[in-house]
Amino acid sequence: AAGVIQSPRHLIKEKRETATLKCYPIPRHDTVYWYQQGPGQDPQFLISFYEKMQSDKGSIPDRFSAQQFSDYHSELNMSSLELGDSALYFCASRYRRDTFNEKLFFGSGTQLSVL
Amino acid sequence: AQTVTQSQPEMSVQEAETVTLSCTYDTSENNYYLFWYKQPPSRQMILVIRQEAYKQQNATENRFSVNFQKAAKSFSLKISDSQLGDTAMYFCAFMKPYNYGGSQGNLIFGKGTKLSVKP
Repeated sequence: AAGVIQSPRHLIKEKRETATLKCYPIPRHDTVYWYQQGPGQDPQFLISFYEKMQSDKGSIPDRFSAQQFSDYHSELNMSSLELGDSALYFCASRYRRDTFNEKLFFGSGTQLSVL
Repeated sequence: AQTVTQSQPEMSVQEAETVTLSCTYDTSENNYYLFWYKQPPSRQMILVIRQEAYKQQNATENRFSVNFQKAAKSFSLKISDSQLGDTAMYFCAFMKPYNYGGSQGNLIFGKGTKLSVKP
């Protein structure tokens, strides 16, 4: 079965650079969530989208922005990168109308290292 | 706001034995979902088991089972016949159901328990 695809798997950037992370949800899934997991930390919710509209916002810095496109894939744009942005970034998806089986499906994550 | 607490930062168990990981949560909601996720060294987030709060019956998935105590707001995970491949970080997570204009079905995680299975 198709899973959530994230690209790239690994990304190395310098301080103050920009980065773009991509997420391709499972086909038919209409909702995408982004999480940030620092070293030794639990995943923290950043932002979510439903039907191309932002649906919820967590602890996402102002330097970050995200959007969901017409094909439901999502991109997380990160500018003015800081050392503290080094983390594993997860994308998860779900089909909102699947009310009898509510759960999130996670991608393998993008490991961002800021040097 | 909902919170999830895992009071055991690290645990270890001998291969083939049974281990229980603890999780408590705080919510004023009556309907919600609880999950255990496994994160091995590969850091992939793998769903282990899911429990619906309105179901009194404890969920089971092969060697994994939960003890869900709704009144006590407790949700522990029991791993039977532990295997070396069970070595991982285990996260307990809470989710409110999606509700138009309200909850967006986001997950709230605990801090995790690092489980080591020893041969």
